[in-house]
Amino acid sequence: SQTIHQWPATLVQPVGSPLSLECTVEGTSNPNLYWYRQAAGRGLQLLFYSVGIGQISSEVPQNLSASRPQDRQFILSSKKLLLSDSGFYLCAWKKPGHGYTFGSGTRLTVV
Amino acid sequence: DAKTTQPPSMDCAEGRAANLPCNHSTISGNEYVYWYRQIHSQGPQYIIHGLKNNETNEMASLIITEDRKSSTLILPHATLRDTAVYYCTIGKMNRDDKIIFGKGTRLHILP
Repeated sequence: SQTIHQWPATLVQPVGSPLSLECTVEGTSNPNLYWYRQAAGRGLQLLFYSVGIGQISSEVPQNLSASRPQDRQFILSSKKLLLSDSGFYLCAWKKPGHGYTFGSGTRLTVV
Repeated sequence: DAKTTQPPSMDCAEGRAANLPCNHSTISGNEYVYWYRQIHSQGPQYIIHGLKNNETNEMASLIITEDRKSSTLILPHATLRDTAVYYCTIGKMNRDDKIIFGKGTRLHILP
């Protein structure tokens, strides 16, 4: 069966520190992968999506970047976090003939 | 921008059917209607999708109007655990699809 893993579940980081969030998918190959962010009390904002290794599309200019070093691995990064980067980060993949499957998310607090 | 419009909130009595409307007047012929829900502090969960025919699964029913410009998600016997934000989205089945989420409907199930 297909599963999606995100870690860590929660993270508190100081302003100016780097960030690396990892997402991996199991049980499928060549998935479309997505990073969304949800600020407190707000909707889901699409940040990046990837249709294959090394292929990244950015939806919103920001302080973040994404990489896909392996087929089933999607990484969200920042060199220097801002307070406005706080939020709930969700990774998702698209199952053929189905909807998106989301991970359990990482709640990031920048202090 | 999201291509769907939903009421910001709704109430439903426990045990009754919850009917959540969605307008998607600009939907194109090859776009599907997808519904997701997000329970507090969790990632969104796929519920159901459809193209033009009504659909039913173990979670809900989806009624799409003949002109496909609107749809209704029906939870036949709402329980307290159905309290969540419900998102109606439209998207394609092809690999390049990316879903833009709107603000959704916050459904409160009342005991």
